[in-house]
Amino acid sequence: GENVEQHPSTLSVQEGDSAVIKCTYSDSASNYFPWYKQELGKRPQLIIDIRSNVGEKKDQRIAVTLNKTAKHFSLHITETQPEDSAVYFCAASGGQAGTALIFGKGTTLSVSS
Amino acid sequence: GAVVSQHPSRVICKSGTSVKIECRSLDFQATTMFWYRQFPKKSLMLMATSNEGSKATYEQGVEKDKFLINHASLTLSTLTVTSAHPEDSSFYICSAIGRLRAYEQYFGPGTRLTVT
Repeated sequence: GENVEQHPSTLSVQEGDSAVIKCTYSDSASNYFPWYKQELGKRPQLIIDIRSNVGEKKDQRIAVTLNKTAKHFSLHITETQPEDSAVYFCAASGGQAGTALIFGKGTTLSVSS
Repeated sequence: GAVVSQHPSRVICKSGTSVKIECRSLDFQATTMFWYRQFPKKSLMLMATSNEGSKATYEQGVEKDKFLINHASLTLSTLTVTSAHPEDSSFYICSAIGRLRAYEQYFGPGTRLTVT
């Protein structure tokens, strides 16, 4: 089955800096790659996602890149703000629509002002 | 749109009792629902996949007789933790997929279960 690796497990940056989180996946059939932000005790919140027919997607300060050949995808957050501090999870699902998400282990991002 | 609710949000039960958690899609029909559990400072681990009207598919290592899943309608799935033990204490989160956007999962707010 699918296996998703995520790095780093913790990331500390200064306000205004960029943050990059990387994930790799094992199943070449995976074709949907969302990123979630989760605050303590709350549900995961989708912040951006990418399908396998696209190499990059951007939404204001957040971007995701996908390299299907290498089977890795990355989250880029620019101009970080203290409110970006949270746990971020990457995930992958594939095959057919409606299949389960397999999550990475998460990255705790701390943005200090 | 695309709201998923869970009930209860928190529950404390005694060891040996059973607890039922409900997951509802409020404004769409959920073709598939998923149940995850999350231990403190850990990731979401898929427990089972539930399709309306059929038996749930459990992930390896998840006891189907302990975690009973019922998906009786297109808007409701339930997870019953039977004979709960302290090690079952966790954050349980459901998610649902609708017909229109079959890739995007909508998560419920989660249920914090504490077994004493």
